[in-house]
Amino acid sequence: GAVVSQHPSWVICKSGTSVKIECRSLDFQATTMFWYRQFPKQSLMLMATSNEGSKATYEQGVEKDKFLINHASLTLSTLTVTSAHPEDSSFYICSAPSVNSYNEQFFGPGTRLTVL
Amino acid sequence: QKEVEQDPGPLSVPEGAIVSLNCTYSNSAFQYFMWYRQYSRKGPELLMYTYSSGNKEDGRFTAQVDKSSKYISLFIRDSQPSDSATYLCAMSTGNQFYFGTGTSLTVIP
Repeated sequence: GAVVSQHPSWVICKSGTSVKIECRSLDFQATTMFWYRQFPKQSLMLMATSNEGSKATYEQGVEKDKFLINHASLTLSTLTVTSAHPEDSSFYICSAPSVNSYNEQFFGPGTRLTVL
Repeated sequence: QKEVEQDPGPLSVPEGAIVSLNCTYSNSAFQYFMWYRQYSRKGPELLMYTYSSGNKEDGRFTAQVDKSSKYISLFIRDSQPSDSATYLCAMSTGNQFYFGTGTSLTVIP
């Protein structure tokens, strides 16, 4: 299957700082990528849909000014958590659909964010 | 009512057992059905992907979809300790995805 990578895998930051998380499709192009967050023992919550060359689409309740998404190329989407606070601590996962089927999602390994 | 319902478990079985994982849903527009395996602190890994009703088999895994009952299942035969993980069902209308909460499975050696 297709490979999606994320960087960093784990980040600890101080409250008030910004953190950038990268999501890359390694062996295929992705005009669309998805960003999720997952709290312990809970399912994935879709935050936003990242679209190459255009603005991201955010889910209801997700602050677009706090979670900045940039899809600069067909293989890279970034999520920046601005002015992070302890309640932003979570597991952030990106995914990209297969080139063969939009419904076949490949997930990155996730980024664990801890805000002190 | 949630779009997708999945029993969170935890489910604990002895090695070699047959495992049955299930999800129910309410939206008749779902056409694509997926099962993902997620190990602790890792991203989900796609296990099975099916379209519409029927069965699909891949090695020890069998996915079953019954659209009339709005019910999907994942069967794991000859379960192994390495199968211990959280299993997430997912469904799509073609435009929107919905995930179950995941079932935590432990296979005891």
